[in-house]
Amino acid sequence: GAGVSQSPSNKVTEKGKDVELRCDPISGHTALYWYRQSLGQGLEFLIYFQGNSAPDKSGLPSDRFSAERTGGSVSTLTIQRTQQEDSAVYLCASSLDRRTHHGYTFGSGTRLTVV
Amino acid sequence: ILNVEQSPQSLHVQEGDSTNFTCSFPSSNFYALHWYRWETAKSPEALFVMTLNGDEKKKGRISATLNTKEGYSYLYIKGSQPEDSATYLCAPYSGYSTLTFGKGTMLLVSP
Repeated sequence: GAGVSQSPSNKVTEKGKDVELRCDPISGHTALYWYRQSLGQGLEFLIYFQGNSAPDKSGLPSDRFSAERTGGSVSTLTIQRTQQEDSAVYLCASSLDRRTHHGYTFGSGTRLTVV
Repeated sequence: ILNVEQSPQSLHVQEGDSTNFTCSFPSSNFYALHWYRWETAKSPEALFVMTLNGDEKKKGRISATLNTKEGYSYLYIKGSQPEDSATYLCAPYSGYSTLTFGKGTMLLVSP
């Protein structure tokens, strides 16, 4: 597609429920990143996919968080047993490769609210 | 995880004012420095990717400079307009991982 697409744009869920966030990157972009911004905080790195390599999961805050990228394209971020501190804007970005000189292209994000 | 500092945290200027922000980052293992503009309810948008010490880039009324030896970059906006209101993020890249973002400078330009 022309840009990075994320869905849903907004999600309100009850504490303890599981949620899935979807990211459809730009076609041909081999690198895909998940970040989140909690209230009053900067953009926090979560996970990074590069081609067929093993993902860099070093930013995932707990084992309740997982992500996969199927066929090198669409990615799904799953949060199990959501907690109120998971409330944030979750942003997905893609780039041609990790060392891009053109910057990341971001989606418009999913605003997750855990009540 | 790189230590990235941006200042000021927020800024309120009048239309027509010129302004600048600072991004400080570790000077070791430097590969590139990214600047992004993030308007409310929109996606962060890449402004500049800078790699060379002393580099200066310009896009319309916005320009940026880079000092890799001392680890800082300045972003300048000349003649601010209300549509410049956004959060400006910098992110250094060490070449080994992903971008590490600062908390940003929130700019509000009043008409």
